[in-house]
Amino acid sequence: GQSLEQPSEVTAVEGAIVQINCTYQTSGFYGLSWYQQHDGGAPTFLSYNALDGLEETGRFSSFLSRSDSYGYLLLQELQMKDSASYFCAVGNQAGTALIFGKGTTLSVSS
Amino acid sequence: GAGVSQSPSNKVTEKGKDVELRCDPISGHTALYWYRQRLGQGLEFLIYFQGNSAPDKSGLPSDRFSAERTGESVSTLTIQRTQQEDSAVYLCASSPGTTNNNEQFFGPGTRLTVL
Repeated sequence: GQSLEQPSEVTAVEGAIVQINCTYQTSGFYGLSWYQQHDGGAPTFLSYNALDGLEETGRFSSFLSRSDSYGYLLLQELQMKDSASYFCAVGNQAGTALIFGKGTTLSVSS
Repeated sequence: GAGVSQSPSNKVTEKGKDVELRCDPISGHTALYWYRQRLGQGLEFLIYFQGNSAPDKSGLPSDRFSAERTGESVSTLTIQRTQQEDSAVYLCASSPGTTNNNEQFFGPGTRLTVL
């Protein structure tokens, strides 16, 4: 089977940097993705890592270590609007869909 | 349309009734997915369509759940004889259907409440 573990909650202040970790157990590996979901909203795609290393997209970066079955999402220069839930996800064994973690709720305060 | 749309946005029904949830994917996207999200939880995969066929139905929780897709566009998820545990947000997503389906485009969801 496949499972993902991520912290349930993270709090930070505006301007800070926060890292959300994700560990996974999979039968086969099809890449690690990150999604953001604001309360009551649709999940939106943030990043995808197929290979080891860091991918940077503006204030957000995502890291993957396949040997450690581990990745993280790094959010810099936090803003209030970054308060949301963040989900890591891996492709399922059939390669037909994503398996999501339970999500990390990020609260950014002023 | 510009994005994935779903209807209705909210549905309240009585236990035992049937419901139909609709998804309009992004035009040209051949891959379509249904997920379920219970309150405070992650997304739970239900079914995957590639074109009009459903090669992966492994996430459907029981035979009360079914889905179809016509014309490589609209999809309908049907839940028969609804139960209270079916209460959740049902999310639809689509993707271009090329080799990397990790970037999926989600609709706003249908919030289903079974009384």
